[in-house]
Amino acid sequence: EIVLTQSPGTLSLSPGERATLSCRASQSVSSRYLAWYQQRLGQAPRLLIYGASSRATGIPDRFSGSGSGTDFTLTISRLEPEDFAVYYCQQYGSSPYTFGRGTKLEIK
Amino acid sequence: EVQLLESGGGLVQPGGSLRLSCGASGFNFLVKGMNWVRQAPGKGLEWVSAISGSGTSTTYADSVKGRFTISRDNSKNTLYLQMNSLRAEDTAIYFCARLSGFYIEEPSDVWGQGTLVSVSS
Repeated sequence: EIVLTQSPGTLSLSPGERATLSCRASQSVSSRYLAWYQQRLGQAPRLLIYGASSRATGIPDRFSGSGSGTDFTLTISRLEPEDFAVYYCQQYGSSPYTFGRGTKLEIK
Repeated sequence: EVQLLESGGGLVQPGGSLRLSCGASGFNFLVKGMNWVRQAPGKGLEWVSAISGSGTSTTYADSVKGRFTISRDNSKNTLYLQMNSLRAEDTAIYFCARLSGFYIEEPSDVWGQGTLVSVSS
């Protein structure tokens, strides 16, 4: 099973700042099979990034993904109030298709 | 509008069974893989099971293998999760989610709102 470790567990920033979230895999993941999701409080998750760097439909360009092998990053260039949520990475190339434990992005 | 609507959740005793359903609308159901993802209260997301568009390919998390069965009825645009031998640790919100392609190695691009399963005596 591929274990995904997300860091930090909690990130405290202000609107307008840049956020950098990390996802590290216990073994190499093809970049084709790495996704990022956003989950706001009380809502279902929403796909942000797939294939490590492709934005899903309707996702603003302030969200970007990068990385390869075992190290992946989600960057939010300028935080908007609605961006404060929990973010999960997922690998879907090797079953079981594991999620990381999430990074909570909170308002400072 | 693309929609997924889960049903069938509820309170069940340990060792009991439950069948979840997920009705799909607004897209061509048979060309999309589907999966179930759960979230225990206050916890993160846990992938549970996936099925291809044709239903011929399935896969499961180790924690549910042998107890849960995923299936689909493409004539009814409905996804199912049969859950047997339920344990307290299966208590969670169960989300139905559409995969972006026909196969199972795809991201989940549309999600339902979830149905709560509580396992307790």
